[in-house]
Amino acid sequence: DSGVTQTPKHLITATGQRVTLRCSPRSGDLSVYWYQQSLDQGLQFLIQYYNGEERAKGNILERFSAQQFPDLHSELNLSSLELGDSALYFCASSVAGVAGTGELFFGEGSRLTVL
Amino acid sequence: GNSVTQMEGPVTLSEEAFLTINCTYTATGYPSLFWYVQYPGEGLQLLLKATKADDKGSNKGFEATYRKETTSFHLEKGSVQVSDSAVYFCALSLYMNYGGSQGNLIFGKGTKLSVKP
Repeated sequence: DSGVTQTPKHLITATGQRVTLRCSPRSGDLSVYWYQQSLDQGLQFLIQYYNGEERAKGNILERFSAQQFPDLHSELNLSSLELGDSALYFCASSVAGVAGTGELFFGEGSRLTVL
Repeated sequence: GNSVTQMEGPVTLSEEAFLTINCTYTATGYPSLFWYVQYPGEGLQLLLKATKADDKGSNKGFEATYRKETTSFHLEKGSVQVSDSAVYFCALSLYMNYGGSQGNLIFGKGTKLSVKP
């Protein structure tokens, strides 16, 4: 158990809909990262938050947004969903940035299926 | 740009066979390098890391040496077990040696390893 909690574990929805994925980081971790894992693209970095502020941005679509709340949990919002958004979405956390130990602690992921 | 390239899988080995999974990288600056492992139904977890050239990372019988001249970080294990069956990801970070609160890992696409008894 990594200590990172993601909900829901599975989600099935239709094209055009909007969903919210939630992540609770390990106790004491200030950074939260979101990654998308798909068969063709592999593991793609989406966005990083540190102590409530956005710190780094990767290949995140404009239809997607995220935030980190004062209690350090984070939410990833996916809107106007398309079939290609079907993927496993991972949240990870670390004490600081990767500049610390370099170790990210990953949750078990939220599997999104768009029909 | 910065990227990681891994050998494509799946890789299927018999128990006690020697394992090599190739990983090469392209990066501006001096990255730190990592191997992460993902067991079925789980998230990724750090297997080993190396922060500078010629460093060797090791853990659970796995080893990888940071080769700057060949921009490589190949994963090896002398004798694999059925329990090593998983997906292995090579990754790099450009931020680890600079401190601060920014940083993310850039991952390769992963190599699936299946070990048969």
